Amino acid sequence: KQEVTQIPAALSVPEGENLVLNCSFTDSAIYNLQWFRQDPGKGLTSLLLIQSSQREQTSGRLNASLDKSSGRSTLYIAASQPGDSATYLCAVRRSKLTFGKGITLSVRP
Amino acid sequence: NAGVTQTPKFQVLKTGQSMTLQCAQDMNHEYMSWYRQDPGMGLRLIHYSVGAGITDQGEVPNGYNVSRSTTEDFPLRLLSAAPSQTSVYFCASSYSMGQGWYGYTFGSGTRLTVV
Repeated sequence: KQEVTQIPAALSVPEGENLVLNCSFTDSAIYNLQWFRQDPGKGLTSLLLIQSSQREQTSGRLNASLDKSSGRSTLYIAASQPGDSATYLCAVRRSKLTFGKGITLSVRP
Repeated sequence: NAGVTQTPKFQVLKTGQSMTLQCAQDMNHEYMSWYRQDPGMGLRLIHYSVGAGITDQGEVPNGYNVSRSTTEDFPLRLLSAAPSQTSVYFCASSYSMGQGWYGYTFGSGTRLTVV
């Protein structure tokens, strides 16, 4: 059974810091990995999708990498801003999408 | 495009009542699924469908029914609501192309309270 782990559960940083959020998964036989953002009381917004054949994807200040062989992905956030405060979830897909429990990020002004 | 639309956004039920959570997508995605999100448990898959007329169970299917008569709609039925079904429910859709599966699009959620 696929298990997805995100540690730590919560993170607080000052504005302007570069961040790395980690995600690990137990079964490397995945089709893709997706990073989502969830604001309190809201739905999930897709940030980045990495297909299994890819190593990384970039969108603006966000960069996600994927190392299938080691079962790891990182989400890099450059020059963090208070507006980045949210919960970040990673999810891996084989036949189904399996989620980690998320990292709640707080960026202090 | 509207994407994935869920209705209602909020609902309060009494124990034993039944109801249907609606989900519709206008992207012609063949894959649709329902998740519930609970504090400390994360998102858990309830049921999913890989196309019209095809459904299957996820991780926590008990107490829920689904059907997929069209590509666009994937309703979730609570047969006899229980307090343990108090949760936030999300519908999601996705599609495939060739050998690859593409990312999921989520609805904004339905917050259900069973009293």
